[in-house]
Amino acid sequence: NAGVTQTPKFQVLKTGQSMTLQCAQDMNHNSMYWYRQDPGMGLRLIYYSASEGTTDKGEVPNGYNVSRLNKREFSLRLESAAPSQTSVYFCASSPWTASNQPQHFGDGTRLSIL
Amino acid sequence: EDKVVQSPLSLVVHEGDTVTLNCSYEVTNFRSLLWYKQEKKAPTFLFMLTSSGIEKKSGRLSSILDKKELFSILNITATQTGDSAIYLCAPLGDNQGGKLIFGQGTELSVKP
Repeated sequence: NAGVTQTPKFQVLKTGQSMTLQCAQDMNHNSMYWYRQDPGMGLRLIYYSASEGTTDKGEVPNGYNVSRLNKREFSLRLESAAPSQTSVYFCASSPWTASNQPQHFGDGTRLSIL
Repeated sequence: EDKVVQSPLSLVVHEGDTVTLNCSYEVTNFRSLLWYKQEKKAPTFLFMLTSSGIEKKSGRLSSILDKKELFSILNITATQTGDSAIYLCAPLGDNQGGKLIFGQGTELSVKP
C-alpha cells in the first residue's frame, strides 16, 4: 500500500521556469493538501481540495495553482518559479477535511529555484 | 488569528534522558490536536488528542492535552538515537475546513 506518492523527489529550476508537482493517493481519501516547509517555519498550507472538484486557498497560495484531476490526484503548479519558492513541498490526504482522522503525508519534493 | 507555538525549538539530550516537548495553541472552535514525528522525509502521525487530561501512550511516548490552558505536551522517556527528529504539533478547529495549523516544530537530537 503506497499511501501518498509524490513526484519528482528533487528538482532544480531556473527563475521563471514552470513546473508541476504531482501527488497521488491510493487510500480513497476525499481531501488532499499541499504544504511547503521552510526552515524554522513548520508546514504552511498552500492549497487544499476538500473533495473532488473543489479547491481552496490556504495560508500561502501566491505564485501557485492547483488542479484536482480526479479523486486520486492533486497537482501543484508553479507558473513562473521564483527563488522564494525554494522549499520542500509535501502533499497530504485525509478521509475528509473535518474528519477525526490524521492526514497522511507523502515523502516530499525538494525544489530549488536558482 | 489562530496560532501555535512549540518549545523548545531545539533540544540536545543523551540516550536514556527523558524529554518534554511543549505546544501551546489558540484555535477557534478547537476540535483536536495532532502530534507528528518527522525524520528525513514525511511527517508520520503519532497521536490525536481530543479530550483534556486523558494521556495517550505509545511505547516510550506519551501525550496529554489541557483544553483549559490551551496546551499539550509530548513526553519521551528513555530516549534513543532513533528518536532524533522534528516533532510537530498541529491543532485542528471546526471552522478551518480540516486545515491543520502546524507549529514550527521542536528539533530533538539524541546523542549516544
